[in-house]
Amino acid sequence: QSALTQPASVSGSPGQSITISCTETTSDIDDYNFVSWYQQHPGKAPKLMIYDVSNRPSGVSNRFSASKSGNTASLTISGLRAEDEAVYFCSSYTSSSTCVFGEGTKLTVL
Amino acid sequence: EVQLVESGGGLVKPGGSLRLSCAASGFGFSGYTMNWVRQAPGDGLEWVSSIRSTSSHVYYADSMKGRFTTSRDNAKNSLYLQMDSLRAEDTAVYYCARTRYTGYTEVIDYWGQGTLVTVSS
Repeated sequence: QSALTQPASVSGSPGQSITISCTETTSDIDDYNFVSWYQQHPGKAPKLMIYDVSNRPSGVSNRFSASKSGNTASLTISGLRAEDEAVYFCSSYTSSSTCVFGEGTKLTVL
Repeated sequence: EVQLVESGGGLVKPGGSLRLSCAASGFGFSGYTMNWVRQAPGDGLEWVSSIRSTSSHVYYADSMKGRFTTSRDNAKNSLYLQMDSLRAEDTAVYYCARTRYTGYTEVIDYWGQGTLVTVSS
C-alpha cells in the first residue's frame, strides 16, 4: 500500500471543475509540503503537471492548480476538456531519499 | 530538448537477467540525479531506483535491493539498470526519468517513453 492515498476515480463534465486528493498515510514523507502531480495518458509516459505543491512547469495550462491542507494535497482541474481524461498520480520524496507515488486516479470526462 | 531513450527490454525467463540502458540528450546529464520507475500492466507507478550525478549514492526500493543494480556513465550520457533474479512480478514498462532540484526539494521532471520487460517462462 502506497504512503500516498488517492481516490481510484473521479469524473466530471466538460467545463466543470474536479478535484483529486492525495493523502499522506505514513510519517515517511520528508516534508510533505513538496508534492508533485503527473498526468498520464494511455500508452504514454507521465507528464509533470505540478511541483512543489502548487507550481506549474512551463507549458502546463493554468486550468491546473493545486494546494495542500494538513496532510492532504489536492489537484484541481477547471474548465474540464476531453483531453484532460487521463490518470493522475501524486508523488513525494521520503526522508530516506526514495520517491513514492500515489496509486493514481483515473479522470473520466463525461 | 530533453530526450531520454530506453532500450534493452524484452522477454526473459524467471530467474534470468536483463540490462536496461537509457540514452540521455538535450541537457547536462552529468549534473542530474537519474531514476528508474516502473509500471506493471494496468497498474500504477513504482519508483525503482535513483543515482546521484556523480554515482556517490544509489538508492533502491526495498523490493529491488540485492537484485537490481543502477549505474551510469557520464562520459556516454547513459544510465543503466542491471536486473538479476527476475520474477514474474517484475514484468512492467521501465521508465528512465530525470530529477531536478527545485530550490526546495527534488522532482522527477522528464520521462522517457519506457521499455517493456516481460518475465515469463
